[in-house]
Amino acid sequence: DAGVIQSPRHEVTEMGQEVTLRCKPISGHDYLFWYRQTMMRGLELLIYFNNNVPIDDSGMPEDRFSAKMPNASFSTLKIQPSEPRDSAVYFCASSLGQGAEAFFGQGTRLTVV
Amino acid sequence: SQQGEEDPQALSIQEGENATMNCSYKTSINNLQWYRQNSGRGLVHLILIRSNEREKHSGRLRVTLDTSKKSSSLLITASRAADTASYFCATDTGRRALTFGSGTRLQVQP
Repeated sequence: DAGVIQSPRHEVTEMGQEVTLRCKPISGHDYLFWYRQTMMRGLELLIYFNNNVPIDDSGMPEDRFSAKMPNASFSTLKIQPSEPRDSAVYFCASSLGQGAEAFFGQGTRLTVV
Repeated sequence: SQQGEEDPQALSIQEGENATMNCSYKTSINNLQWYRQNSGRGLVHLILIRSNEREKHSGRLRVTLDTSKKSSSLLITASRAADTASYFCATDTGRRALTFGSGTRLQVQP
């Protein structure tokens, strides 16, 4: 397996634009997580899914953020409209079991100007 | 708030020395995990220790867990320049996804 795959690796967008981040988890994993990493706040959990169903989205900062998992092999995190304070590295991770070893993607570095 | 907090925030040592990082957490856990993150990369799982375990080894890594003190330590023996990275502890409480600490930045000088 190629591991967790995220795209794009880098995204630069203007304030107000819509941004969509994509993730393909490891095949067979039943949990998928979206984290955001910044210098100020560290690694924050945004939302996670179990068998494609959102379990906890309490970390999603605002209504501007939404996440979907239409099937077991794909998830998206959308920010609409984007703001400069959304600039961060966004990680997707997957695991087999909730508290099991998590496998992280390479991340998407988002810059909103 | 962070469930796990690492200490120190930054550590600089010479190649060949041992590096020790500590993690404290607040609530009861099922397991505690350590991850490494190289600059510009994703996190990589190093080791998992369950709440009923006190010590675990993996190569040059040694992890201890003291549930009475709600703390864990990661020891890297005979460090190498390639060990330069940030190290994070993560806790599984069984009630939510893994919660990560703020990390320790380790610099190993060749």
